[in-house]
Amino acid sequence: AQSVTQPDIHITVSEGASLELRCNYSYGATPYLFWYVQSPGQGLQLLLKYFSGDTLVQGIKGFEAEFKRSQSSFNLRKPSVHWSDAAEYFCVNNAGNNRKLIWGLGTSLAVNP
Amino acid sequence: DVKVTQSSRYLVKRTGEKVFLECVQDMDHENMFWYRQDPGLGLRLIYFSYDVKMKEKGDIPEGYSVSREKKERFSLILESASTNQTSMYLCASSSSGQGAYEQYFGPGTRLTVT
Repeated sequence: AQSVTQPDIHITVSEGASLELRCNYSYGATPYLFWYVQSPGQGLQLLLKYFSGDTLVQGIKGFEAEFKRSQSSFNLRKPSVHWSDAAEYFCVNNAGNNRKLIWGLGTSLAVNP
Repeated sequence: DVKVTQSSRYLVKRTGEKVFLECVQDMDHENMFWYRQDPGLGLRLIYFSYDVKMKEKGDIPEGYSVSREKKERFSLILESASTNQTSMYLCASSSSGQGAYEQYFGPGTRLTVT
């Protein structure tokens, strides 16, 4: 079955430190991949997306993600975390089907001052 | 900007009541979705609709029904609310066609069934 795995349920980093959130997908064909963020009390917001082309994609709020087909991964990175980045992050795979997304279970990020 | 609105942010209902959750989008999107979000379980798809009066079951449709009479509006119905339906409900919409399109989400409705 198609799946998206986020191995880390919870991560804590210090403000100013770098961040990498891991994501692995299982769908074999060309995936369409997204990262969403959900801040406390806020709705889900799209951070970035990958459809094709350059495997390093830039998103909002200084985030980037790299698609690696050989590793079936789409990890999210940020060079310097801000306290406002504390949120839940979801990796999502479209799997070529506009009607349905496959969601990871999310990684909760805490930021220490 | 795409806007998806949901009729209520918070709702408290009693067991056995019929509950209606309304969602409206203003971007002429073909697809609309209802999810529930629970701690540790992520987002789970309840139903989606790809056109007016068209619907498909998602992963957890039991205990729910939906209605889409107009393109911009998608309703989720709990025929007889139960305590295990206490959850955050999220509505989303997306465009259709070739390629892949992200889903745009509403702010959510936190439903408590007592």
